[in-house]
Amino acid sequence: KNQVEQSPQSLIILEGKNCTLQCNYTVSPFSNLRWYKQDTGRGPVSLTIMTFSENTKSNGRYTATLDADTKQSSLHITASQLSDSASYICVVSGQTGTASKLTFGTGTRLQVTL
Amino acid sequence: DGGITQSPKYLFRKEGQNVTLSCEQNLNHDAMYWYRQDPGQGLRLIYYSQIVNDFQKGDIAEGYSVSREKKESFPLTVTSAQKNPTAFYLCASRTGTEAFFGQGTRLTVV
Repeated sequence: KNQVEQSPQSLIILEGKNCTLQCNYTVSPFSNLRWYKQDTGRGPVSLTIMTFSENTKSNGRYTATLDADTKQSSLHITASQLSDSASYICVVSGQTGTASKLTFGTGTRLQVTL
Repeated sequence: DGGITQSPKYLFRKEGQNVTLSCEQNLNHDAMYWYRQDPGQGLRLIYYSQIVNDFQKGDIAEGYSVSREKKESFPLTVTSAQKNPTAFYLCASRTGTEAFFGQGTRLTVV
């Protein structure tokens, strides 16, 4: 069964600190992995996409990594800001026949405080 | 602006009533999806449509119905058969590898 597990479930950090969110998946065959940011009461917005051949990708203060061998990804947030407070969802897409069905993680709820 | 529009943002339903959630997109995407989001759970697929006049059941289709008469529109009806309809509903359209989401509709049964 295709699954995506994220950790931690929730996280509280001080403004300006860094943090790393984890995503482990068992989706096969693998096509790509996306990290989404979801503000409370809003729809998710894509942050980064990782394909099989990519190890690291950055988007501003967000850096995603992918280890396709161990089926693990991480999202590192640098110099956190209050506006980073949101849920971060890892979404894995399978290839071809399963591409129409994405597998979602349950998300990590991040709270950035003063 | 291009995007996906869901309406209404908040919806209240009495038990036993059917309600329809609207989803419109102007991104010219063929594929559209409906997801349900509950606290502590990942998004779960209700229905999806790959092309006009065609749609398929997702993982939790019972108690829901959809139509796809136009490429731009994919409304979701929550019927009285859905035993636990209170949730946050997200509509998405997809091109290639990226799914674009609407802002969601929060449905509450009163």
